[in-house]
Amino acid sequence: DTGVSQDPRHKITKRGQNVTFRCDPISEHNRLYWYRQTLGQGPEFLTYFQNEAQLEKSRLLSDRFSAERPKGSFSTLEIQRTEQGDSAMYLCASSLIWNNSPLHFGNGTRLTVT
Amino acid sequence: DAKTTQPPSMDCAEGRAANLPCNHSTISGNEYVYWYRQIHSQGPQYIIHGLKNNETNEMASLIITEDRKSSTLILPHATLRDTAVYYCIVRVVNNAGNMLTFGGGTRLMVKP
Repeated sequence: DTGVSQDPRHKITKRGQNVTFRCDPISEHNRLYWYRQTLGQGPEFLTYFQNEAQLEKSRLLSDRFSAERPKGSFSTLEIQRTEQGDSAMYLCASSLIWNNSPLHFGNGTRLTVT
Repeated sequence: DAKTTQPPSMDCAEGRAANLPCNHSTISGNEYVYWYRQIHSQGPQYIIHGLKNNETNEMASLIITEDRKSSTLILPHATLRDTAVYYCIVRVVNNAGNMLTFGGGTRLMVKP
């Protein structure tokens, strides 16, 4: 399968712990996006990369969140000192560099903070 | 990006056409209309997009009114697997980051 892959699919952690998620985009896609989705809501944009450069960050991305894409391929999203409000589905998407290329999403990592 | 309005839910009989409306009355001339859907426990799936002309692909048809203030996504023969939340999104043509802003969507229930 050559779609967007996310790992793990589910993560349960205790409040205050750090967690890291991984996203492997479609191989020829230069752009990579992170979104967050809470129950009953549409996905909300967090940040995006073009190759290894992080070009935009939403105000939703607090100081406890950091994303990297060191070699312009896979990306990681780390949440430090997790809070119960961080419980959500974290979605990764990728696209070609051309404007209006559709985004292709992975199936997400569901985080539960207890 | 322009805001969209969709009904929160719709039902459709299996085998019939599902017509999902979207209002985007403040759309600008340089904004595309995109449709995505999200099946339970999966990520959003791209369906189709268009600017002015009607579009069709293997999944659906997109009908955009002449004034571009509204559009309709048509699933010609809905199946139970089409049960999902459908999102209508408008986005500027030269949006440098290709970001999408999702609203609440329409929850389509296909019934046997």
